[in-house]
Amino acid sequence: NAGVMQNPRHLVRRRGQEARLRCSPMKGHSHVYWYRQLPEEGLKFMVYLQKENIIDESGMPKERFSAEFPKEGPSILRIQQVVRGDSAAYFCASSPYTGEKQYFGPGTRLTVT
Amino acid sequence: QQQVKQSPQSLIVQKGGISIINCAYENTAFDYFPWYQQFPGKGPALLIAIRPDVSEKKEGRFTISFNKSAKQFSLHIMDSQPGDSATYFCAATLDRGSTLGRLYFGRGTQLTVWP
Repeated sequence: NAGVMQNPRHLVRRRGQEARLRCSPMKGHSHVYWYRQLPEEGLKFMVYLQKENIIDESGMPKERFSAEFPKEGPSILRIQQVVRGDSAAYFCASSPYTGEKQYFGPGTRLTVT
Repeated sequence: QQQVKQSPQSLIVQKGGISIINCAYENTAFDYFPWYQQFPGKGPALLIAIRPDVSEKKEGRFTISFNKSAKQFSLHIMDSQPGDSATYFCAATLDRGSTLGRLYFGRGTQLTVWP
């Protein structure tokens, strides 16, 4: 039973480029959460999605960031026109139902140069 | 505003000792309190979790103590081992009946266990 998969594991982008982060939840999980972790800090919630629906995006910046979880395929976190402050580790988690027992992927480490 | 406050920021314990990490929360609607363990370069892994209807939960060397009236909970690692050296995060989330499933994390405690 494969765990949560994220790719790429490392992503380097220049300022102004776009970053696309992918997350495949565990089998049977229809709830996906994205969190961001800055150095020396805890994880901050960004967005919560179910298949084809955004349930809660209150933690996501209003501009440049978007997320989707299509009926088929992985969830995608998209960051347009990246800036240096976007450099962080982005983690995806999945669960079979709302809230508890969220299982995290290995993360995508984004570096903006 | 930090919904879950965690202390200490770092902790050094000798092998065989007890590691204790504390967390406090404000929102009484929180209904589920997990602890996560994270090794460098890896994602957080669910370690143990508790609901507020019990005061203690034990799994192997790991115990959560929960004090509902004080709105505090703590992680105890008995017989700490060098392999336990990692960053530990406490977290909380709202009642299962809510559609809002986000986890609120503490800032983390970096545990180092000396051999």
